[in-house]
Amino acid sequence: NAGVTQTPKFQVLKTGQSMTLQCAQDMNHEYMSWYRQDPGMGLRLIHYSVGAGITDQGEVPNGYNVSRSTTEDFPLRLLSAAPSQTSVYFCASSLSAGVAGNTIYFGEGSWLTVV
Amino acid sequence: DQQVKQNSPSLSVQEGRISILNCDYTNSMFDYFLWYKKYPAEGPTFLISISSIKDKNEDGRFTVFLNKSAKHLSLHIVPSQPGDSAVYFCAAIMNYGGATNKLIFGTGTLLAVQP
Repeated sequence: NAGVTQTPKFQVLKTGQSMTLQCAQDMNHEYMSWYRQDPGMGLRLIHYSVGAGITDQGEVPNGYNVSRSTTEDFPLRLLSAAPSQTSVYFCASSLSAGVAGNTIYFGEGSWLTVV
Repeated sequence: DQQVKQNSPSLSVQEGRISILNCDYTNSMFDYFLWYKKYPAEGPTFLISISSIKDKNEDGRFTVFLNKSAKHLSLHIVPSQPGDSAVYFCAAIMNYGGATNKLIFGTGTLLAVQP
């Protein structure tokens, strides 16, 4: 059981470049989300999806785009990378959108540096 | 404005002793709290949770205490083991059973358990 798989694990981008962080889960989870973690800050929600075809913005959505064409996949697109997007990105999934009694599974993280 | 605060960025404890990780929150509407553990190069994993209708919840060596009047929760690990060395995040949400997209994370505390 692979759980939540993120690729790539490490990436260096130049300012202005675009790229996609891939996320896939094999647990048939309806809820998927993307977080970023920066030094001195907690995990902050970028975008989330409550099911295929449905996405919404989180706390820090600017500069990012998402789509959810299948239950399994939830890619995060950086449209025009900026140094402020240097961060560690975590994809997460859970069976449903509720918190109580609903375990959230995180991927191993993607380290992105924008120069 | 950080609604969930972990004021100690790091903590060092001897193996076998008690580890106490603290978390303060400002929003009195939070009524469900979680602790996550994160090893380097891995995603966070769920550890333990507590609802505001309780003041204590235990799971093996891990106990979470909630002091609603002080808006404070703490995670006790007894006895501490070297394998407990990790970053610990607390998280909070309003409306028990509220949606995951409303989960607010603290900044994390790095626990080092010395053999």
